[in-house]
Amino acid sequence: GAGVSQSPSNKVTEKGKDVELRCDPISGHTALYWYRQSLGQGLEFLIYFQGNSAPDKSGLPSDRFSAERTGGSVSTLTIQRTQQEDSAVYLCASSRGTSGRDTQYFGPGTRLTVL
Amino acid sequence: AQKITQTQPGMFVQEKEAVTLDCTYDTSDPSYGLFWYKQPSSGEMIFLIYQGSYDQQNATEGRYSLNFQKARKSANLVISASQLGDSAMYFCAMRDTNTGNQFYFGTGTSLTVIP
Repeated sequence: GAGVSQSPSNKVTEKGKDVELRCDPISGHTALYWYRQSLGQGLEFLIYFQGNSAPDKSGLPSDRFSAERTGGSVSTLTIQRTQQEDSAVYLCASSRGTSGRDTQYFGPGTRLTVL
Repeated sequence: AQKITQTQPGMFVQEKEAVTLDCTYDTSDPSYGLFWYKQPSSGEMIFLIYQGSYDQQNATEGRYSLNFQKARKSANLVISASQLGDSAMYFCAMRDTNTGNQFYFGTGTSLTVIP
């Protein structure tokens, strides 16, 4: 079956512009996660959606970052007034549920470059 | 405090040899899951292996095995018969119910397999 897809694969933008990153999880997966990975670094948790519950936004670095998940499926991560430090790869992952065994499956990521 | 610690930024192994990548974790929750992911230079995150905190036996998946020492809170990944294609970043991750099902990732270990 289809894996997690993300678009665009690459995004170059100018400082101060808004960007939207899209994630399409695996069909039937109820949990969806966004992470940020800076060059050569580990994964930084941003936000987590589980079913119809309120999202866990505890990892969002500032109020310029927001995310939504429509219909329990596709998710959009929005970064407003982008800054150069926002340049990173943004990874989306989904999992079937939230039991301990439910692993995450990752998309290919969106590489964001803010000039 | 770090939830996941990977103390080896870089490792080298001869082709066909075995290698152990270290991971220690910190949680007070008796129920948790431990995961290892591989990230080749292409950037995708690939799930390798899972170990549950209540699992009695060490997990194995092909050439990957997890040396789970619960009392020491360590979950080392063992790769047997290394292949050139094993060269990649390896991330250890943990999920525990105390954190609302967030995944915590270590900083990763870069493995290079030498022909």
